[in-house]
Amino acid sequence: KAGVTQTPRYLIKTRGQQVTLSCSPISGHRSVSWYQQTPGQGLQFLFEYFSETQRNKGNFPGRFSGRQFSNSRSEMNVSTLELGDSALYLCASSLRNAGIGSGYTFGSGTRLTVV
Amino acid sequence: AQSVTQLDSHVSVSEGTPVLLRCNYSSSYSPSLFWYVQHPNKGLQLLLKYTSAATLVKGINGFEAEFKKSETSFHLTKPSAHMSDAAEYFCVVSNNNDMRFGAGTRLTVKP
Repeated sequence: KAGVTQTPRYLIKTRGQQVTLSCSPISGHRSVSWYQQTPGQGLQFLFEYFSETQRNKGNFPGRFSGRQFSNSRSEMNVSTLELGDSALYLCASSLRNAGIGSGYTFGSGTRLTVV
Repeated sequence: AQSVTQLDSHVSVSEGTPVLLRCNYSSSYSPSLFWYVQHPNKGLQLLLKYTSAATLVKGINGFEAEFKKSETSFHLTKPSAHMSDAAEYFCVVSNNNDMRFGAGTRLTVKP
């Protein structure tokens, strides 16, 4: 079966713009989490959604937001982009209703570059 | 609060020799522990997980890890390294609503 699909794979944006990233989880998976990965900060948790509801949120400013649709697909949005937002954004999905930590399947990520 | 420390940022081994990637954790509760691997420009792949069953956990590609509560460790091992094992490895500690990643260990495998 298809894995976690993230689109686009690569993106270049200008400071001040906004961006929307998309994640399609594995079929049947209802939990989706987002992570930001940078060389300096490593992997940082952004937020987690289950059945269209945000269950957990990491320590990121309000410019970072997300949502989940009824088909479990998720989007994350970053407004007023800053150079420091350049990162690999990873999406992960899970089948179980057990919160984060039950073992996720990750997508290949979206590489965002802000210039 | 939870945290995880990967003791080595970079490990270099020769092909065919054993691999040891070290991970110590801190958790107020009985945690779940995971090892993930990330190849360049790829997402993370789950290698193995410990969820309070057997303390020796076997994963994919010949990797295994042993949970040692007294030492708060969850080291990853493999008897014989292969060139394809070269990647970044992440140790993760989780307690249902909180998941923390280690900083990662880059494994280099020399021919």
